[in-house]
Amino acid sequence: EAGVTQFPSHSVIEKGQTVTLRCDPISGHDNLYWYRRVMGKEIKFLLHFVKESKQDESGMPNNRFLAERTGGTYSTLKVQPAELEDSGVYFCASSQFQGGGYTEAFFGQGTRLTVV
Amino acid sequence: GQNIDQPTEMTATEGAIVQINCTYQTSGFNGLFWYQQHAGEAPTFLSYNVLDGLEEKGRFSSFLSRSKGYSYLLLKELQMKDSASYLCAVSRSGGYNKLIFGAGTRLAVHP
Repeated sequence: EAGVTQFPSHSVIEKGQTVTLRCDPISGHDNLYWYRRVMGKEIKFLLHFVKESKQDESGMPNNRFLAERTGGTYSTLKVQPAELEDSGVYFCASSQFQGGGYTEAFFGQGTRLTVV
Repeated sequence: GQNIDQPTEMTATEGAIVQINCTYQTSGFNGLFWYQQHAGEAPTFLSYNVLDGLEEKGRFSSFLSRSKGYSYLLLKELQMKDSASYLCAVSRSGGYNKLIFGAGTRLAVHP
């Protein structure tokens, strides 16, 4: 079974440009999460999708970030326009629907974004 | 507020035992996770504790004390491949996988 895949693995863009990150969750996983780790800091929650709906986007830093999950399958995270402080590693995670108890979240390898 | 503290770095010897501590302060606690992350790779799930006590899984064990806001990850019979970052993460009520992470502990295992 394929794990969570993210594309690209690395991206270097200039300040002011636009970048779109993609995440393909594990098939059948309704929950999809985006996280971000900036240099030297902890991994921080950005937002959570349940199928195609945004359940919680309280961690999105500002309106330059737009996440979508059309059809409830893969998700994209667009940064427009990118700023220097957006540099970091963006992780995606997915898990099955949780009716009770916990469900393990599976993480992708992340996209390393560098804004120069 | 929310705060998770764990040591930045630890070193240990192959074959030994190491304990990585994590203290947390958060509202709406709904469990504590430990993840392992090798450089450049995805974090991988190690353990989940929601009740007080010790959970053992092979060479790895995890302990939780909710009253003290404290957890530890115990690694036995250390192997070189255990050199990695270990991430403590707390789940808050309302979202099991909306995780609040600590900064991680980099463990270096030496021969």
